[in-house]
Amino acid sequence: AAGVIQSPRHLIKEKRETATLKCYPIPRHDTVYWYQQGPGQDPQFLISFYEKMQSDKGSIPDRFSAQQFSDYHSELNMSSLELGDSALYFCASSLEGADTGELFFGEGSRLTVL
Amino acid sequence: GENVEQHPSTLSVQEGDSAVIKCTYSDSASNYFPWYKQELGKGPQLIIDIRSNVGEKKDQRIAVTLNKTAKHFSLHITETQPEDSAVYFCAASVTMYSGGGADGLTFGKGTHLIIQP
Repeated sequence: AAGVIQSPRHLIKEKRETATLKCYPIPRHDTVYWYQQGPGQDPQFLISFYEKMQSDKGSIPDRFSAQQFSDYHSELNMSSLELGDSALYFCASSLEGADTGELFFGEGSRLTVL
Repeated sequence: GENVEQHPSTLSVQEGDSAVIKCTYSDSASNYFPWYKQELGKGPQLIIDIRSNVGEKKDQRIAVTLNKTAKHFSLHITETQPEDSAVYFCAASVTMYSGGGADGLTFGKGTHLIIQP
């Protein structure tokens, strides 16, 4: 079965640069979530989108922005990168209104800021 | 906002024994409690979940219990096997069945489960 696809899987950037992560949800899923996971930490919720509209906002820095497009894929844009932004970024998708509230996670994009 | 506490942070059990991980949550509006297993370098994978209208759910060697009054829920793994070694996260959220949006999950800090051969 198709899973959540994230790209790139690995990304290395310098401080103050910009990075964009992409997420392709499971077909027919209409909700996308972004999480940030630091080394040895739990995933922290950043932001979510339902039907291309922002539905919930977590601890996303002002330097970050995200959107969901008409084909339901989502992009997380990160500017003025800082060393502390180095982390695994997970995208998850779900089908709103499904019997279960299960979130399906992608394999993550590892961002390293030097 | 929601706050999820998870204990213990590390749990080492002998193969074949049972493992129990406990979580508490703060927001009485939370109604969905999933448990995720995360292996090194991979994304979290759902292993079992429970809703607030159910007190217990079981799936083979895995069971979850929920006490809404006390706001705590637990994961029970019986007959542990080496492949159960991983980091386990509990989480809580408010799910909207009528559509119109979804709240993100709030995760606990995770439990590193080690199965000793």
